[in-house]
Amino acid sequence: DQQVKQNSPSLSVQEGRISILNCDYTNSMFDYFLWYKKYPAEGPTFLISISSIKDKNEDGRFTVFLNKSAKHLSLHIVPSQPGDSAVYFCAALDSNYQLIWGAGTKLIIKP
Amino acid sequence: DGGITQSPKYLFRKEGQNVTLSCEQNLNHDAMYWYRQDPGQGLRLIYYSQIVNDFQKGDIAEGYSVSREKKESFPLTVTSAQKNPTAFYLCATGLNYGYTFGSGTRLTVV
Repeated sequence: DQQVKQNSPSLSVQEGRISILNCDYTNSMFDYFLWYKKYPAEGPTFLISISSIKDKNEDGRFTVFLNKSAKHLSLHIVPSQPGDSAVYFCAALDSNYQLIWGAGTKLIIKP
Repeated sequence: DGGITQSPKYLFRKEGQNVTLSCEQNLNHDAMYWYRQDPGQGLRLIYYSQIVNDFQKGDIAEGYSVSREKKESFPLTVTSAQKNPTAFYLCATGLNYGYTFGSGTRLTVV
């Protein structure tokens, strides 16, 4: 039973446009969410996070939005750059401080 | 500089052999984790350790074993009981709100 779902396995976006990656969760007790970026054959690197007391967190080109009522969060990247091509993982922190991971979305930025 | 080191980067083993993956950290973090990544799947937790000399099974612990004799080290042994060991293995150290990952080890059974 997947508690964190990323329903799009891949996403292709034109360079310079906005990339929107989506994530849904089922456990309303989750109160902290993180996005990680992963290049092939490397470990994931932390990108941005959001606490459930906020509905938006922004860091440069990256913005994460949280809709608690819909149990949905999204990562916006604008403008998209070639170096953004990677797999993006959404994760939620559970009550034991363990991360529950989504399956990832492969983002491809087209020149 | 502080970090987490996994070795080797690529590892090959024959069926039926045990193999140990190394994970060392100098971040002074108490918690360490082992994940497995397969294509099209998220990271799945194999084992984790919150403190020296203690560790807990994750979601897919069968066929794996770990030890935590030192704070800095959390080696993972993939045993012959693991039916499908070919995968990318990631070690991480964690604080409450985020992990630091190693660069991973790709294990291939030949």
